[in-house]
Amino acid sequence: QVQLQESGPGLVKPSETLSLTCTVSGGSISSYYWSWIRQPPGKGLEWIGYFYYSGSTNYSPSLKSRVTISVDTSKNQFSLKLSSVTAADTAVYYCARHSGTLPYFDYWGQGTLVSVSS
Amino acid sequence: QSALTQPRSVSGSPGQSVTISCTGTSSDVGTYDHVSWYQQHPGKAPKLMIYDVSKRPSGVPDRFSGSKSGNTASLTISGLQAEDEADYYCCSFAGSYSFDVFGTGTKVTVL
Repeated sequence: QVQLQESGPGLVKPSETLSLTCTVSGGSISSYYWSWIRQPPGKGLEWIGYFYYSGSTNYSPSLKSRVTISVDTSKNQFSLKLSSVTAADTAVYYCARHSGTLPYFDYWGQGTLVSVSS
Repeated sequence: QSALTQPRSVSGSPGQSVTISCTGTSSDVGTYDHVSWYQQHPGKAPKLMIYDVSKRPSGVPDRFSGSKSGNTASLTISGLQAEDEADYYCCSFAGSYSFDVFGTGTKVTVL
């Protein structure tokens, strides 16, 4: 059974960079697409971006200038960096696996709350 | 790319049917059949319930069904059960540039 686990600081200061890691267990990070998705408290879901193990990435147009997703296949992990954060970036951040090459998410992490505050 | 529009809430009694609408545009729902639906219980991660408009992943009860007409997709829950009380989000592929756009979310209440 594939499991995903997000990790990283729960509090980030405004203007700094948010950094999260997703560790995948029970399966290889290769041969699948992987995404980051976030959900502000009490609000809806927002797709942030995806990467494919071969190195290709795609980011939400609204976040593209601030987002980087990278992978460490040796650790079966992928990471999210979001720069110049503001309070509007406060959210639960989820990592998720795509169902094959399709734009659906069949496995999700439990999510981690990141608050942006000084 | 704007969020897809869903009703804020719907409700029904046990055993009844409820339908949630998801309205997009010709750039997403109206063009692509990659519409999916997710169920989210409080404090939990979303769970894939429907993909490709009307297909159910293994393990999802056949009480859940999906459809699409024009720019609007719909999720119907038949034979409503207490455990169906949750938030539901639609999602549509919107092309390789925008990729996926989610709906605003609908809270389903079982009376």
